[in-house]
Amino acid sequence: GAVVSQHPSRVICKSGTSVKIECRSLDFQATTMFWYRQFPKQSLMLMATSNEGSKATYEQGVEKDKFLINHASLTLSTLTVTSAHPEDSSFYICSARVEGRTTEAFFGQGTRLTVV
Amino acid sequence: GQNIDQPTEMTATEGAIVQINCTYQTSGFNGLFWYQQHAGEAPTFLSYNVLDGLEEKGRFSSFLSRSKGYSYLLLKELQMKDSASYLCATGTGANNLFFGTGTRLTVIP
Repeated sequence: GAVVSQHPSRVICKSGTSVKIECRSLDFQATTMFWYRQFPKQSLMLMATSNEGSKATYEQGVEKDKFLINHASLTLSTLTVTSAHPEDSSFYICSARVEGRTTEAFFGQGTRLTVV
Repeated sequence: GQNIDQPTEMTATEGAIVQINCTYQTSGFNGLFWYQQHAGEAPTFLSYNVLDGLEEKGRFSSFLSRSKGYSYLLLKELQMKDSASYLCATGTGANNLFFGTGTRLTVIP
């Protein structure tokens, strides 16, 4: 199956700093990637849809100026959490679908962000 | 709008069979997915139903009734490693996934 690699797996940062999370499709091209956030014991909530070469589409209630998404190539999307605060501490997961195949989405390993 | 309901927690015995139900309301239905997620890890794909009926894949089977907005995941011959959260998700017209809150399954000896 297709592989999505997400980095870093864990990061601890100080309040007020920014953190960048990378999501790569290793063996396929992804014109669209999805960023989810998951708080403890809760489900995955879609934050935004990342579109290669164009602006991301954000879900209602997600601040686009705080969660910057860049999808500059067909294999890489990045999520930058700017001016992080403790309430941003969460599990962030990216996913991608292979073009023309709608049977499953492939997920990255996830990033556990802790803001102290 | 989108809504998915599934039980929060279930407990079952090793070697037994367990059925996890999921009801959904959605616009732009594009399939029903089941994922397994162990704590602190990303979800892994289990099954996909787009037509009514039962799909069997080894110890796991998934059923869909589109008219009832209902699906279930059936796990047979339960093993301790099956203890995990099971996420029901609907595919949307925008080609992304909308997830339910998940069912935390505990398998006991």
